[in-house]
Amino acid sequence: EAGVTQSPTHLIKTRGQQATLRCSPISGHTSVYWYQQALGLGLQFLLWYDEGEERNRGNFPPRFSGRQFPNYSSELNVNALELEDSALYLCASRNPYRGGGYTFGSGTRLTVV
Amino acid sequence: AQSVTQPDIHITVSEGASLELRCNYSYGATPYLFWYVQSPGQGLQLLLKYFSGDTLVQGIKGFEAEFKRSQSSFNLRKPSVHWSDAAEYFCAASRRGTGFQKLVFGTGTRLLVSP
Repeated sequence: EAGVTQSPTHLIKTRGQQATLRCSPISGHTSVYWYQQALGLGLQFLLWYDEGEERNRGNFPPRFSGRQFPNYSSELNVNALELEDSALYLCASRNPYRGGGYTFGSGTRLTVV
Repeated sequence: AQSVTQPDIHITVSEGASLELRCNYSYGATPYLFWYVQSPGQGLQLLLKYFSGDTLVQGIKGFEAEFKRSQSSFNLRKPSVHWSDAAEYFCAASRRGTGFQKLVFGTGTRLLVSP
């Protein structure tokens, strides 16, 4: 069974640009969670998508957004990049109807210069 | 508010020695509990999880964890540490049930293994 896959592995952007990060969940998982791991700030919940809809978001500004496609893959967009957006962005998937464990991808390292 | 606390930021253990990483949680009801490991620059790998039943949970790589309701704790243990265990370890919890259950993480414990 393939795990959660994220792309790209690394991304370097200039302040003010937009970044797009992608995530493919485990087959059969309909929920995708995005987390940000910034230096010194720990793992912070960003967004939850399920069945194509944004269901919940963490304490992040609206320039963090995304979507979920019919095949349950997801995209995270970060607009108007700021230096402090530099972080490891992790995606996790879970079957929300069975509860239980979250499986994480290897992450996308976003660097804003 | 729901929270997970890992009181130790760094721990150094000699190779071959035993290990215990502490984790305490604060939830209204017993949550689901998890331990993840993260190597530098990598994602999170699930070591083990507790949902219900036996309070001693076995995981991968020789790790185990014990759930103690009376202490609101879920400590991770390994009887003999290997140099490859050096990494950052995160305890996490989520409320029970289906639907949206945000995973709340502790701040992590960095394990250093000395020769």
